[in-house]
Order: sequence, then C-alpha cells, then structure tokens
Amino acid sequence: SQELEQSPQSLIVQEGKNLTINCTSSKTLYGLYWYKQKYGEGLIFLMMLQKGGEEKSHEKITAKLDEKKQQSSLHITASQPSHAGIYLCGADPDSWGKLQFGAGTQVVVTP
Amino acid sequence: GAVVSQHPSRVICKSGTSVKIECRSLDFQATTMFWYRQFPKQSLMLMATSNEGSKATYEQGVEKDKFLINHASLTLSTLTVTSAHPEDSSFYICSAPGGKSGNTIYFGEGSWLTVV
Repeated sequence: SQELEQSPQSLIVQEGKNLTINCTSSKTLYGLYWYKQKYGEGLIFLMMLQKGGEEKSHEKITAKLDEKKQQSSLHITASQPSHAGIYLCGADPDSWGKLQFGAGTQVVVTP
Repeated sequence: GAVVSQHPSRVICKSGTSVKIECRSLDFQATTMFWYRQFPKQSLMLMATSNEGSKATYEQGVEKDKFLINHASLTLSTLTVTSAHPEDSSFYICSAPGGKSGNTIYFGEGSWLTVV
C-alpha cells in the first residue's frame, strides 16, 4: 500500500510568517491531494497535483509536486489565523478517488 | 456550498441498535463513493468503497456485516452501523470523486457517532 509521511507533525507559527508542510510517498504518486480540516469537521479541498514538477497556487497557499512525483510541499505565505487547522495530504494509489492519507499536520497560528 | 452532504452530523444511539448515515452528492452523480473513519487526533482511515448497483468493497480488517453499505442511487450512499457498540463511536466521513472540475474528490461534513 502507499504510505505517506507528513512533516512536521505539528507547528506553531506567528501570524504573518511563512510555513511549509511536506508530504513524502514511498511510491510514485498518481495524484496528490491537499486538504484542510478542523478536527471533527469535513475536509476542505485545497489543491490536486498530478504532473511531475507541477505547482499550483490559490490565494496564499502554494503546493508543489517534485519531478519524481514522490514528494509534495504545501507552503503558506504570511499566515493568518484562518490558516489554522489540520492539513492532510492524500494520494490515490490505484484507482481514482480512493485516497490514502498522511497523518496530518496541525498548524497553530499565534498573534 | 457543499457538494457532498452527510446526515446526520451527530447521532447518539444505544448499544445494540443500528444507525444509518447518509452521504449525498448534491449536484453531480457519483457511481463510486468512499467511507472513512477518523479516530481522535488521527488521520482518516479508508473503510470501504461504495459502488452504485453492486456490492461495496471493504478494506482489510473492516467487518462488512458490521458496517453495511448501500449505494441505492447515483447520488446516495448509506452506511449502517449494525448492533453498535461503544467502540464504534467515531467520526465517519464520506467522499465522492468528480464534481464539476472532474478531478476533485469532495468530502462530506462528517458524522459524529456516539454509542452509549
């Protein structure tokens, strides 16, 4: 099965500072999804990456997938309190839509 | 707005009873949906794949007789927790691929189940 490792497990960042979360796969990724969750609530879709070297941005969030398609990063610029939450990376190992998730990264944004 | 909706968002049931959770795709058809379970402070664990018009496919270690899945239509999948026990208490969440963009997997809002 596809294993995804996320790092760091948690991080505390001061408002206005940048942060980066990494997601590493044991196998080549077919598709890599980034979601945000507040514990006990639904997942909010952020971005999906499919091509090696692909980079996507939405507002202050940028996600990249490396050329080998085994590592992805999520970067938040000038973090705000609204960025607090749990960030999950998910990969589709063999059939479309069936995601295996990393352990998640808890992000706390302090004033 | 949400494109995948779950109901109920919270449910409390007594041990030994069964409880049904619904997952609906609101503005698109989903021949396949997925059910996950999330334990406190942990990530999502895939339970099963719900297939419209055929039997669900369960992940290893998931009891199919305990967690009954029915995909009655192209917009509705249901998860029934049968003979619930306190250890079944958890956060259950469904997903459906597709949507208007075609390559997005949408998740429902999740359902909290508490078995007392």
